[in-house]
Amino acid sequence: AQSVTQLGSHVSVSEGALVLLRCNYSSSVPPYLFWYVQYPNQGLQLLLKYTSAATLVKGINGFEAEFKKSETSFHLTKPSAHMSDAAEYFCAVTSGGYNKLIFGAGTRLAVHP
Amino acid sequence: EAGVTQFPSHSVIEKGQTVTLRCDPISGHDNLYWYRRVMGKEIKFLLHFVKESKQDESGMPNNRFLAERTGGTYSTLKVQPAELEDSGVYFCASSQDHEQYFGPGTRLTVT
Repeated sequence: AQSVTQLGSHVSVSEGALVLLRCNYSSSVPPYLFWYVQYPNQGLQLLLKYTSAATLVKGINGFEAEFKKSETSFHLTKPSAHMSDAAEYFCAVTSGGYNKLIFGAGTRLAVHP
Repeated sequence: EAGVTQFPSHSVIEKGQTVTLRCDPISGHDNLYWYRRVMGKEIKFLLHFVKESKQDESGMPNNRFLAERTGGTYSTLKVQPAELEDSGVYFCASSQDHEQYFGPGTRLTVT
């Protein structure tokens, strides 16, 4: 069975500060890992994905994540937060192929001036 | 290229009524998924179509939910009769590989 844990349902940072959103996964098979973002009144948008290639994955809007198998983690980072980054972020895991996504509970990011 | 679309965006119905949600996937995507997010909880998988066939319906909560995908194009999800606990946001996603593209969701409120 697979599962995802996102530590922190709410994270608040100052504009220009480092963004760190935590994601730990559990999987009995090599995982595919994703970060999605949901802006208000919009659908889920893919930020980045890990599919067993490079462990450091770069995504859109300056976000990146590092797959660490030994720590079963896939934390999302961005060096400098913008006001426009305020949204809800979801980490998800799948066993690959066309299989269903297993989501974490989500982390709502607030960015203040 | 048009994205995944869902209709309606919002629906408010009374307990015991029937509601049908529609999802139009990205053209050419054989895989179509339904997910649901109940308030305060995580997004949960409901079912997966490959073309018109149900590949995995392990997440369907009970037999009040019926999903169809006639002709392998758009899909509908019917809830009959609706219960209070069915309230939430229903997302549809489509894919041609491991990357799923999501629609904006339908917010269902059962009163």
